[in-house]
Amino acid sequence: EAGVVQSPRYKIIEKKQPVAFWCNPISGHNTLYWYRQNLGQGPELLIRYENEEAVDDSQLPKDRFSAERLKGVDSTLKIQPAELGDSAVYLCASSQLGAGGYNEQFFGPGTRLTVL
Amino acid sequence: LAKTTQPISMDSYEGQEVNITCSHNNIATNDYITWYQQFPSQGPRFIIQGYKTKVTNEVASLFIPADRKSSTLSLPRVSLSDTAVYYCLVAIYNQGGKLIFGQGTELSVKP
Repeated sequence: EAGVVQSPRYKIIEKKQPVAFWCNPISGHNTLYWYRQNLGQGPELLIRYENEEAVDDSQLPKDRFSAERLKGVDSTLKIQPAELGDSAVYLCASSQLGAGGYNEQFFGPGTRLTVL
Repeated sequence: LAKTTQPISMDSYEGQEVNITCSHNNIATNDYITWYQQFPSQGPRFIIQGYKTKVTNEVASLFIPADRKSSTLSLPRVSLSDTAVYYCLVAIYNQGGKLIFGQGTELSVKP
């Protein structure tokens, strides 16, 4: 069974440029999560989807971050414009339908973003 | 602001039992406590999940006291390949059930 797929794996951009990350969850998983992980810290939830609906986006910096999950499968996370402090690993995870507190999350390898 | 707290690092030797504790207050009453393992350049990987008392699987045990203000991950007879960062994940009740990872415990297993 294929795991969570993320692309690109690495991205280097200059500040003020836009960037987008793509995630394909495990087939049949209705819940999709985007996390940001800074060096030496635990993952921080940015947004959680149940199918197409964003059910928790309270930690998403909406002035520059946006996300979408059209058709309830793939998802894209965008940053525009990027700032130096956005340098981090962006992780995507998926699980069976339901709150993450109940279900095992399966994580992708992440996208390492460097903003210069 | 409610959060989880873990030791930053731990050292152990091969064959020993390792216990890592996560402190958490005001967790959601009906939510599980989950532990993940992360190796460098990889996403976290599920280890074990529990709601109360004790849960055991083929790789670890999870102990949750009655007050649910902490949980302990127990790794029996660790090996060098268990060197990794371990995170607890809880849903914090007074933050609307928000999912919060601990800051992680870096476990180093020595020969």
